[in-house]
Amino acid sequence: EAQVTQNPRYLITVTGKKLTVTCSQNMNHEYMSWYRQDPGLGLRQIYYSMNVEVTDKGDVPEGYKVSRKEKRNFPLILESPSPNQTSLYFCASSLSETDYGYTFGSGTRLTVV
Amino acid sequence: AQTVTQSQPEMSVQEAETVTLSCTYDTSENNYYLFWYKQPPSRQMILVIRQEAYKQQNATENRFSVNFQKAAKSFSLKISDSQLGDTAMYFCAFMKLRATSGAGSYQLTFGKGTKLSVIP
Repeated sequence: EAQVTQNPRYLITVTGKKLTVTCSQNMNHEYMSWYRQDPGLGLRQIYYSMNVEVTDKGDVPEGYKVSRKEKRNFPLILESPSPNQTSLYFCASSLSETDYGYTFGSGTRLTVV
Repeated sequence: AQTVTQSQPEMSVQEAETVTLSCTYDTSENNYYLFWYKQPPSRQMILVIRQEAYKQQNATENRFSVNFQKAAKSFSLKISDSQLGDTAMYFCAFMKLRATSGAGSYQLTFGKGTKLSVIP
């Protein structure tokens, strides 16, 4: 089944403890992206990647890192999480940016205390 | 920066009736793409419908159709014969070529969403 797999689905962590949210797609998509969703703000892009080793900042990249060493994986790294990074995170992929559909992962609910 | 405005935070509709969700956007671009995404309580983001700005014909997907008014920068979603499974958050999204990056880089911007409840 074609899908984007995010892990974990839920995570509670403490301020300053490094964490990684994994994202993997099995569709050979070139384009991958991370979004965060906050109440009343919709989805905002954190980082995106157009292909292996090609990444760039989105609208809210502060406090996040990404890497794209393999086409299928696009992990989101929080080196020193803070409470304002408590959010719902989505990974998405598509064959190209203007492809008909973005496929989204199931989301990761992150709470930083 | 372009903005996407969904002026209805919440809406409700009776089952089998028709409902229209509003979306306006602000851009000086001529070529862009517009999307409607659905997010049910399961949190999954599901693409509902897509419209290319250069196409005059309104996109349709089964019970879902759009009214795309390019001059007015309006992109409303009409859901016909509403079903209980249509209960969800609906996000309007706008995509255009990113201004500051290399060729081929597009930026997808979402509105804040409209919560739709279908009442039995």
